[in-house]
Amino acid sequence: DIQMTQSPSTLSASVGDRVTITCRASQSVSSWLAWYQQKPGKAPELLIYKASSLESGVPSRFSGSGSGTELTLTISSLQPDDLATYYCLQYDSFPYTFGQGTKLEIK
Amino acid sequence: QLQLQESGPGLVKPSETLSLTCTVSGGSISSSSHFWGWIRQPPGKGLEWIGNIYYTGSTRYNPSLRSQVTISVDTSKNQFSLKLTSATAADTAIYYCARGIYNSAWLHLDSWGQGTLVTVSS
Repeated sequence: DIQMTQSPSTLSASVGDRVTITCRASQSVSSWLAWYQQKPGKAPELLIYKASSLESGVPSRFSGSGSGTELTLTISSLQPDDLATYYCLQYDSFPYTFGQGTKLEIK
Repeated sequence: QLQLQESGPGLVKPSETLSLTCTVSGGSISSSSHFWGWIRQPPGKGLEWIGNIYYTGSTRYNPSLRSQVTISVDTSKNQFSLKLTSATAADTAIYYCARGIYNSAWLHLDSWGQGTLVTVSS
């Protein structure tokens, strides 16, 4: 199985800050990686797929980059609505595996 | 607008079978461009992929659950289902159904149901 390690596990940032979350894979996932946002008490929602493709309707402040074993999610200017836990998902090979999550708190 | 709705018992006794159904509306489960999946999340913890099914009945399962899990599809009802046998307290979780993108390969999950909490307890 491909292990996905997210960092940091928790992150506290201020409105307007640039925020970066990293997923490191135990082996290459090429660009077959998605990022999800899960708000408290809600289902995850897709933000980014194929490492850097923005899902329709997702604000442009979200972007993804990287390939291989190190991929990142960036929020260019943090908004209060971005309070959530963020997960990466590799779908390069079965079984699909998620990162353990990054809980984003607003200062 | 696609909607996925999980349904099934919220309480299952240990050693019994956990059974859930996902009803798809606003889209066809027989779409050749999509597959259907189950994911679970123990309370306060992270996400675990359970398995996927294509409308033809082709499946992929998480090996860690393979001996317990069966996913099936009913195209006539626009539904797919999850059965997990010999449930234990470790199977207590919010269970999500989801749609995925299929393009000659199983790709990402793009739309999720709201989730349903299943507790395994006597």
